[in-house]
Amino acid sequence: DAGVTQSPTHLIKTRGQQVTLRCSPKSGHDTVSWYQQALGQGPQFIFQYYEEEERQRGNFPDRFSGHQFPNYSSELNVNALLLGDSALYLCASSLVGTYTYEQYFGPGTRLTVT
Amino acid sequence: QKEVEQDPGPLSVPEGAIVSLNCTYSNSAFQYFMWYRQYSRKGPELLMYTYSSGNKEDGRFTAQVDKSSKYISLFIRDSQPSDSATYLCAMSASNFGNEKLTFGTGTRLTIIP
Repeated sequence: DAGVTQSPTHLIKTRGQQVTLRCSPKSGHDTVSWYQQALGQGPQFIFQYYEEEERQRGNFPDRFSGHQFPNYSSELNVNALLLGDSALYLCASSLVGTYTYEQYFGPGTRLTVT
Repeated sequence: QKEVEQDPGPLSVPEGAIVSLNCTYSNSAFQYFMWYRQYSRKGPELLMYTYSSGNKEDGRFTAQVDKSSKYISLFIRDSQPSDSATYLCAMSASNFGNEKLTFGTGTRLTIIP
């Protein structure tokens, strides 16, 4: 049973560019949450997708957007990249109706903005 | 002020020692508490989950919650070099699987052989 997978593993972008990160949830899960983890910090909630809609959003600007596909996989898009967007981006999947602690994290995508 | 405060360390202890990791929080809505372990360049993995005030034990790990003081702890007994990692506390207001988590900064722990 594959866990949560994310791609790419890491990438380097230039300020002002746009980036798309991808997440495939654990088999059987229907909800995907995205977190940003800056160096030396804990993960911060960006937003969550369920039934192909954004259900919750953290304190992140509109430059951060997402999408969920019918197969429950998800994308995180960041426009007009800033140096401060450099971080590890984590995807967590869960199943509606299960418990909070039953969220599983992927290995993350490390984004470096130069 | 952050909703969850955690000493970032780093913390270094000799093998076999008891490790104490702590978090405080300010949001009274938090009712569910988790501890995650994160190895370098990996995603967080769940270690412990607690709800009520008191202690919960799982092998060498004990999670403690004091809701009246808004203080949670994780104790690691007989620490091993393989316990070297960053430990993150996380909290949520509800127990539903789609509830967002609020994390502490994480404490970087090194167990010295």
